[in-house]
Amino acid sequence: NAGVTQTPKFRVLKTGQSMTLLCAQDMNHEYMYWYRQDPGMGLRLIHYSVGEGTTAKGEVPDGYNVSRLKKQNFLLGLESAAPSQTSVYFCASTTGTVQFFGPGTRLTVL
Amino acid sequence: GENVEQHPSTLSVQEGDSAVIKCTYSDSASNYFPWYKQELGKRPQLIIDIRSNVGEKKDQRIAVTLNKTAKHFSLHITETQPEDSAVYFCAASSGGNKLVFGAGTILRVKS
Repeated sequence: NAGVTQTPKFRVLKTGQSMTLLCAQDMNHEYMYWYRQDPGMGLRLIHYSVGEGTTAKGEVPDGYNVSRLKKQNFLLGLESAAPSQTSVYFCASTTGTVQFFGPGTRLTVL
Repeated sequence: GENVEQHPSTLSVQEGDSAVIKCTYSDSASNYFPWYKQELGKRPQLIIDIRSNVGEKKDQRIAVTLNKTAKHFSLHITETQPEDSAVYFCAASSGGNKLVFGAGTILRVKS
């Protein structure tokens, strides 16, 4: 039982490049979330999903897109990366209230 | 929407002393309040949570108290140990299974 996993662990992009972050969970959780963590700002919700095929905007959705084609996977896309998107990205999932986090992806945009 | 404020931003205590971290929330409909601990370079992990129908909850050296009237909740760690050093986040949920997090408290336990 791997829990919540994220790929990649680290990535460096140039401004304007695109990439996709993958989150996978093997706990059969309905709800999945993408957060970004910046120093002094806690965890801020980017997008979330309440079930397969559904997505919704969180607090800071601009510049990101998501897809939940399979229940176990939640993808976060950056179409045209900007330096302001340099951050640590965490995925989380839950079946109710307690959210379980993945190990994070450290993204640097130059 | 919900807004969560957390204080202090940094806290240094001597090993064996107690540590208290406080959070306030804005949405009176919030009914679930978890606390997460994040060690350096690691993922946030739940350490304790409380629901709005309970005023206090304890788990060994940690406890959380909730004051619904004042809309604030606190984390109490007693007999602190060096391994308690980490960043602690409070959060609040008003439904929809979404959490709003505080900005975090860096706790340093000096031995």
